[in-house]
Amino acid sequence: EAGVAQSPRYKIIEKRQSVAFWCNPISGHATLYWYQQILGQGPKLLIQFQNNGVVDDSQLPKDRFSAERLKGVDSTLKIQPAKLEDSAVYLCASRQKRDSYEQYFGPGTRLTVT
Amino acid sequence: AQRVTQPEKLLSVFKGAPVELKCNYSYSGSPELFWYVQYSRQRLQLLLRHISRESIKGFTADLNKGETSFHLKKPFAQEEDSAMYYCALSNAGGTSYGKLTFGQGTILTVHP
Repeated sequence: EAGVAQSPRYKIIEKRQSVAFWCNPISGHATLYWYQQILGQGPKLLIQFQNNGVVDDSQLPKDRFSAERLKGVDSTLKIQPAKLEDSAVYLCASRQKRDSYEQYFGPGTRLTVT
Repeated sequence: AQRVTQPEKLLSVFKGAPVELKCNYSYSGSPELFWYVQYSRQRLQLLLRHISRESIKGFTADLNKGETSFHLKKPFAQEEDSAMYYCALSNAGGTSYGKLTFGQGTILTVHP
């Protein structure tokens, strides 16, 4: 089966600009996650979707970050406006169903804010 | 709050030597613990899960609730084990089921 797809793979923007990331999970996977991984740290969950509903966005900086998962398939994560500290790898992961445990990760999008 | 600590950022061993990657956690309930691995230029992927009690690629990990640890061990390291290893904790229930909290990661380098 095809894995989790993400685009773009790399993005360089200036601070105060906007950026959007796209994720296509594995077909049939109901749960989708966005993680932020700052250099030297482990991934940190930003938001979790179950189908097209938000389950957990407690660590999402809502003043600048937004995410949606229309139709319960693809998802986009947006940052507006970006700050220097947003430089990180943004990982998307998906999980098949509620009682499965394994998360499958995409290749990530490396964002550099200058 | 749940937390995962991996005290070693870097770990170097020679091929054939035993290796142990340390992981400690704090969690108020019954956690599910995992080890994820990222090989060079590859995606983050699941290595093993504590409930399964399997040995994957020669690695094992035992959950010690008394010491709140979940150390990853392999008796004879191989060069292909060189990678970044993350210990992760998941809440076993509730609306955020499956949410992973990761440690900072340990870079394992196995020298020939």
